[in-house]
Formats: sequence, C-alpha cells, structure tokens
Amino acid sequence: EVQLVQSGAEVKKPGESLRISCKGSGYSFTNYYIAWVRQMPGKGLEWMGLIHPGDSDIRYSPPFEGQVTISADKSISTAYLQCSSLKASDTGIYYCARLQTMRGYYAMDVWGQGTTVTVSS
Amino acid sequence: DIQMTQSPSSLSASVGDRVTITCRASQRIWMFLNWYQQKPGKAPKLLVYAASSLESGVPSRFSGSGSGTDFTLTISSLQPEDFATYYCQQTYTTFLYTFGQGTKLEIK
Repeated sequence: EVQLVQSGAEVKKPGESLRISCKGSGYSFTNYYIAWVRQMPGKGLEWMGLIHPGDSDIRYSPPFEGQVTISADKSISTAYLQCSSLKASDTGIYYCARLQTMRGYYAMDVWGQGTTVTVSS
Repeated sequence: DIQMTQSPSSLSASVGDRVTITCRASQRIWMFLNWYQQKPGKAPKLLVYAASSLESGVPSRFSGSGSGTDFTLTISSLQPEDFATYYCQQTYTTFLYTFGQGTKLEIK
C-alpha cells in the first residue's frame, strides 16, 4: 500500500522551532515530488512548497520562502518541514502529499494524515 | 500569481440533488486543474485531475469539465457521503500550485 505517514501533533511556544516528518512507503520515494500544504484553523488549503527527494530540487511558495525549510533524507524515505521562530499564526494542520504525474498533469494523489501544530504561550 | 476563485463558498443541497461547483482562474490555465474533496478531520482526497479525468476509484457521479479559465465540478446525484468541502487547484504555474478558497457542501 502506498502511504505517507506524518509525525504526531506538536504543541510549541512562540519562538520555538519545529520539524515535521513525512515517511513514504509502498513506492519509490525518490521518484516523486513531496509537497507541503498548510491549513489554518477553519480555513482553506495553502501551497507551501515541495521537494524532489531524488535530486533535492526544492521550490517554495513566496509567502513561505524564508519562513520554512523543506528537506528530505532519501535513505529513510522521509521528507521534512522545518519551521523556526514559531508564531501563534503558524498554528494549523500541515499535510504532506505525493505529486503524481497523470496524463502529463500533476496532481496530489496520496496524502499524509496531517500534523496538527499548536503554537501558544 | 494565479488566483483561483470558487463559487459558491457554501451550498446547501439534498440527497439526490444535482450540484455544480465553479472554479475560475485569474488567467488561462488550459486544463491544469484538479479537484479535491475534504471531510472534517481528514486529509484532502483527489477526485479529478486534468480538469475532467476521474481519479481511480472515484464514483462516476462526480465529473469535471472546463478549460482555459472556467471549470466546474458536478455531482450528478448527491449521496450522504458527499457532504464535504471541495477545493480546486491549478497546476499550470510550475510548482506554484494554488488552491481555491473551498466550497462547503452542506445538507439542506
């Protein structure tokens, strides 16, 4: 079974840092981009960026550039999202998803279960 | 940046109804448009890719259409499990894939 399993919920204080993991299994991890998506409480989906674990190509959405770091360790089929100097506005659910090419078009066909991050003093 | 605008933002309908959700792009995106369904507390699920191709395993009551700037997701006969929030996503801009704001489909 193809799946992405994310690390568990986090509770952090403002100013702290955070790393969320996303472990892929059931497929060749180095052949597909992994994307990160944020969902703030009660809000919609925001595209954060992505990484290709095979060649470490990384792209960020402008609002998140400089605010987060995306990385991957292909030896353990795991992608990471790192956030430093957390603020209350970073509270939300963070999803990873596999980017699949379908008929020449990209789509996010497999999603992690989401990691809930709460930033509060 | 390409802006994606969905309408309506929310919708009330009954089981058995035919429902259409619209997504408009701020510039032409050809057929680079996906639709996702998200239920409360769950991750999104891919329904339609390339504007009109149904993802494997998705019921045939779902269909997508459109190209250029205007797209629709249609549910031909609503089932109880279809009440959820639906998002469109453009994949035209290389690796800068933006979502619509979502359409919440509720039971009337």
